[in-house]
Amino acid sequence: SQKIEQNSEALNIQEGKTATLTCNYTNYSPAYLQWYRQDPGRGPVFLLLIRENEKEKRKERLKVTFDTTLKQSLFHITASQPADSATYLCALDRSGGYQKVTFGIGTKLQVIP
Amino acid sequence: GAVVSQHPSRVICKSGTSVKIECRSLDFQATTMFWYRQFPKQSLMLMATSNEGSKATYEQGVEKDKFLINHASLTLSTLTVTSAHPEDSSFYICSAYGQATSENIQYFGAGTRLSVL
Repeated sequence: SQKIEQNSEALNIQEGKTATLTCNYTNYSPAYLQWYRQDPGRGPVFLLLIRENEKEKRKERLKVTFDTTLKQSLFHITASQPADSATYLCALDRSGGYQKVTFGIGTKLQVIP
Repeated sequence: GAVVSQHPSRVICKSGTSVKIECRSLDFQATTMFWYRQFPKQSLMLMATSNEGSKATYEQGVEKDKFLINHASLTLSTLTVTSAHPEDSSFYICSAYGQATSENIQYFGAGTRLSVL
């Protein structure tokens, strides 16, 4: 069955450093992968989408890579700030149309001042 | 743009009552809306897909008679939890996308915390 794994439940880093979050998947051949941010008690907010034929995508301090051979995506936040503290979810498209995606459990990032 | 409003944000009800949650797209027409449920420290689980003017498509294991979904207009979908029980207590989140929104991107509501006593 399809499975999505995110690297750990919690990641603590020092302010100013680069945070790297991992999303691995098995039994999938997704056409695209997305990253969302979720704050406690709130709905997810879309950050970046990367397609299977793209290796890397950037948006301001965010960078996503997508390696379909390794079945892995890396999500980087450079010059991290305490305001970046949140849970980050990866999501992969799934078959069945209607833009359905399957979410990972998320990685909780804590940026320490 | 692409704002999705969800109400109420929190509801507490007695066991056996029904609860209705509304999901509105404020500045775009949502051809498709999704309803998710999220338990603490777990991922979002898709419950159903709602297309305007047609019956919702439920995921395996989700009781359609328990979770009634109506998508009567291009800006409004509702989820009614019928005869709610304590095990239905969860965080319910809707999302939407439409022709005017970016392809493959879902826009989420803020979620509804349901507590059934």
